[in-house]
Amino acid sequence: ILNVEQSPQSLHVQEGDSTNFTCSFPSSNFYALHWYRWETAKSPEALFVMTLNGDEKKKGRISATLNTKEGYSYLYIKGSQPEDSATYLCAPESGGSYIPTFGRGTSLIVHP
Amino acid sequence: EAQVTQNPRYLITVTGKKLTVTCSQNMNHEYMSWYRQDPGLGLRQIYYSMNVEVTDKGDVPEGYKVSRKEKRNFPLILESPSPNQTSLYFCASSLRGSRNTGELFFGEGSRLTVL
Repeated sequence: ILNVEQSPQSLHVQEGDSTNFTCSFPSSNFYALHWYRWETAKSPEALFVMTLNGDEKKKGRISATLNTKEGYSYLYIKGSQPEDSATYLCAPESGGSYIPTFGRGTSLIVHP
Repeated sequence: EAQVTQNPRYLITVTGKKLTVTCSQNMNHEYMSWYRQDPGLGLRQIYYSMNVEVTDKGDVPEGYKVSRKEKRNFPLILESPSPNQTSLYFCASSLRGSRNTGELFFGEGSRLTVL
């Protein structure tokens, strides 16, 4: 089982604030890193899949970076809106199993 | 519409009464998986399947069975449910060939309560 840490566990911000959170994972035998967005009462939805060290992905106001050598990924949200309120999950894959292992998530609440 | 369909969405049952949660996908995905979500623990994988007739244990397989007789279906079977299996269950599928990092598509979830 991969050891996946996400921080912070929860985050409250005001509308318009920019925010970021971290996913840490074992750097050895890295294969890929997934980010998912999970709104309350819905199913998780894929945001990004990243595989290369230094990868940067962007979707609207949300972006992510990947550092495979040190084993972390950052997710950034620029100008948070109430509709960004969700739990953000990361799921790295190792070269041993090629199965994503989910972190416990960061719960983001954006206050109007 | 591409989707993963789980049934039932909600179920209250009693200890020991066998039940099956069905999962079906219409995207011709090879990979399917079951997760359970418990407060503070995130998504934990129960079983997964790389293709028809190929299944393997995830991180928390105890008390569950699965089968993959057809590509589109991946039912989760609780032979003798116990209260510690009360949880929210998600089925997911992905277009994953060997070493292909396909994104997971999730069903809407099945909330199971075992009394």
